[in-house]
Amino acid sequence: GEDVEQSLFLSVREGDSSVINCTYTDSSSTYLYWYKQEPGAGLQLLTYIFSNMDMKQDQRLTVLLNKKDKHLSLRIADTQTGDSAIYFCAESVLSSGSARQLTFGSGTQLTVLP
Amino acid sequence: NAGVTQTPKFRILKIGQSMTLQCTQDMNHNYMYWYRQDPGMGLKLIYYSVGAGITDKGEVPNGYNVSRSTTEDFPLRLELAAPSQTSVYFCASRTTSGGTLYNEQFFGPGTRLTVL
Repeated sequence: GEDVEQSLFLSVREGDSSVINCTYTDSSSTYLYWYKQEPGAGLQLLTYIFSNMDMKQDQRLTVLLNKKDKHLSLRIADTQTGDSAIYFCAESVLSSGSARQLTFGSGTQLTVLP
Repeated sequence: NAGVTQTPKFRILKIGQSMTLQCTQDMNHNYMYWYRQDPGMGLKLIYYSVGAGITDKGEVPNGYNVSRSTTEDFPLRLELAAPSQTSVYFCASRTTSGGTLYNEQFFGPGTRLTVL
């Protein structure tokens, strides 16, 4: 079945790096995503990685993909208080109706301490 | 563009009542989705639509109905509200045209529903 797992909580000090980890199960996933949810808001796409890539860098964000272990991570450099949010990992899976759907992890609450 | 809008923002229902959660997008997206988010959990797909007149069940469709008569609107109907339907509901949309390379879904702000 499809299952995306993440740890629920992470606390870091302002200025440190944050690393949020995720494991997924569907080896046919074409894209893997990181979404950010701020309090009281919907999810916003933060970054994504194509499944044939190992790494993607986007300013302070680095995504690492280990396809063999089905492990995805998001590193945020120089974490700021504005980065405090819930971060969701998601994989793109083929549904029974032949349309690709997203399966989300439970989210990691990142708290940035001053 | 307003993007994806949802109404109402909050609602309290009594057991057995019915209601419709509204979702509208102005981006001419063909795909639309309804998710529910329970505390400490990821999003679970309730229903989705690949275009006007076409809907399909997601992972947790029981107790809900949808319709898609226009490209813009994708309402979600609860016929007999139950406490298990207390959740935050998110609507999302995406396009499959214009050379989109990845599956970015655009989310509405959510509707927080409590059933007592």
